Amino acid sequence: QKEVEQNSGPLSVPEGAIASLNCTYSDRGSQSFFWYRQYSGKSPELIMFIYSNGDKEDGRFTAQLNKASQYVSLLIRDSQPSDSATYLCAVKVHQGAQKLVFGQGTRLTINP
Amino acid sequence: DVKVTQSSRYLVKRTGEKVFLECVQDMDHENMFWYRQDPGLGLRLIYFSYDVKMKEKGDIPEGYSVSREKKERFSLILESASTNQTSMYLCASRTGQGAVYEQYFGPGTRLTVT
Repeated sequence: QKEVEQNSGPLSVPEGAIASLNCTYSDRGSQSFFWYRQYSGKSPELIMFIYSNGDKEDGRFTAQLNKASQYVSLLIRDSQPSDSATYLCAVKVHQGAQKLVFGQGTRLTINP
Repeated sequence: DVKVTQSSRYLVKRTGEKVFLECVQDMDHENMFWYRQDPGLGLRLIYFSYDVKMKEKGDIPEGYSVSREKKERFSLILESASTNQTSMYLCASRTGQGAVYEQYFGPGTRLTVT
């Protein structure tokens, strides 16, 4: 089992709808969770991070963390064509670790 | 804003050449990282450094070495480039202080080894 798993997609969502991206992780000791957006040909860009169970909202983006079920999700409300990108989930997998483990990424396409 | 820069956006080298990829960050971050990104394989950690002159192997260190002589600069070295090292190379940096753990990436270097 991979440490961090994402559905590679592609995920296709109509413009204006809610896009839901999911990520599961295997290490129960994981503490910190990150969502990166990567446009084609560009480097990953940090868009959200979450450390505590529950929801964290930032504009049209909401990160959700459920440590008991070991999943983290990203919701994008009112999806725009400019949200079309690959979204990478990253996890700091255990205490003391200085590195993040990345999922494979989910390719999201927003259709006008 | 955090700024991470890499010396080249595109690089073409021949098999057997020694290749240097440079990364510089301007935020006084303690931690720096080198990844490669390949289609279907995602981001894979090559090496990282949590302090000057310190280095740790990542998941795929074979064929690579690193150097960190100054806090702001982290270099990736391909001792003898091979075609299977053709990839996108991404540098990242992060502060080591407190609970803040956001990691920031440079623009990437697309290396082609022929």
